[in-house]
Amino acid sequence: GIQVEQSPPDLILQEGANSTLRCNFSDSVNNLQWFHQNPWGQLINLFYIPSGTKQNGRLSATTVATERYSLLYISSSQTTDSGVYFCAVERDTGGFKTIFGAGTRLFVKA
Amino acid sequence: KAGVTQTPRYLIKTRGQQVTLSCSPISGHRSVSWYQQTPGQGLQFLFEYFSETQRNKGNFPGRFSGRQFSNSRSEMNVSTLELGDSALYLCASSSGLTGLSAFFGQGTRLTVV
Repeated sequence: GIQVEQSPPDLILQEGANSTLRCNFSDSVNNLQWFHQNPWGQLINLFYIPSGTKQNGRLSATTVATERYSLLYISSSQTTDSGVYFCAVERDTGGFKTIFGAGTRLFVKA
Repeated sequence: KAGVTQTPRYLIKTRGQQVTLSCSPISGHRSVSWYQQTPGQGLQFLFEYFSETQRNKGNFPGRFSGRQFSNSRSEMNVSTLELGDSALYLCASSSGLTGLSAFFGQGTRLTVV
């Protein structure tokens, strides 16, 4: 099956700093999403981005499908950005089976 | 538009018992997927239902089963609970069509003692 690797596994930032999270996947996919899991366990959908670049406020994401990776950029980080960021990919095999990476745990210090 | 609703939020069960978890998707969404999240294994796909039919299944034993009703609400059942079944169980809702993103519920935290 598809392998999804995220790096770095852990990241500590000072408030205001920028960061880049990476997601590598081992095969072609139909769908790629970035999620943020808050301390209460809620998974928040950040971007649906199987290819190209999208921006939403301080967050942006780029997926290069031909090279099988995606990047999530966080600029001017805030303490509320803390949590775990997951990359998830899907392949259409007559239904969608989502594979999640292990996540990047981010802590933003005030 | 109401979000994805999972009930109950917390549950404590004894080894050997069975449990049923419920998920109500976003109105109009026909696909419901279930995931198990544990510290050791991360987020793992259990199964996906679309229009009352299981379309895809992960690598979990037969003790884990599910179903979907005509109103798209879904239930997940775990029989003969084991300590290792303690986890956060998450449900995701989507239209089920290619290329549309999924929205997650807040999860049910199951503790098996």
